[in-house]
Amino acid sequence: GQNIDQPTEMTATEGAIVQINCTYQTSGFNGLFWYQQHAGEAPTFLSYNVLDGLEEKGRFSSFLSRSKGYSYLLLKELQMKDSASYLCAVLRGDYKLSFGAGTTVTVRA
Amino acid sequence: IAGITQAPTSQILAAGRRMTLRCTQDMRHNAMYWYRQDLGLGLRLIHYSNTAGTTGKGEVPDGYSVSRANTDDFPLTLASAVPSQTSVYFCASSEGGADTDTQYFGPGTRLTVL
Repeated sequence: GQNIDQPTEMTATEGAIVQINCTYQTSGFNGLFWYQQHAGEAPTFLSYNVLDGLEEKGRFSSFLSRSKGYSYLLLKELQMKDSASYLCAVLRGDYKLSFGAGTTVTVRA
Repeated sequence: IAGITQAPTSQILAAGRRMTLRCTQDMRHNAMYWYRQDLGLGLRLIHYSNTAGTTGKGEVPDGYSVSRANTDDFPLTLASAVPSQTSVYFCASSEGGADTDTQYFGPGTRLTVL
């Protein structure tokens, strides 16, 4: 089966940095996605990594190590609007997504 | 551009009743998907369609059926609803056939089966 693990909850202060880790074991690998999901809303695309290394996009960065089955999402200069769930998803060998359960990030003033 | 729309937004349904959740996209995407999202379990794939006229089973297909008569529409039917099908249902679409095949999600349907 597919196994994607990420922490359930994280709390951080406005202006701080938070790193959300994701480890995976899946049937094949064609890339890793991070999605943001605000309460009661649809998931929205944040980032995609298929090669090892860091991808930076504004305040958000995503890192991938395929040999370790590991990724992280880095949120810098946290803002209140960043309070949301962050979903790690692996694009498997059959080009279908397997999702982790999500990490709920709470930003406090 | 609306993207992906879903209807209804929410529904309360008696067990045993038949229900169809609607999904329409205007991005001319080839691939479409239905997921359910349950607390602590994340999104799980129910059914998918790689292109109009074809469908496939995901991880949790039992009790659900889909059809893909055209590119834009991908309805999900619960033939005889049961309480365990209480969930939030998301439809998604992607261009399909590409290595970086980003999926885009609709706003969801919150379904309660009593």
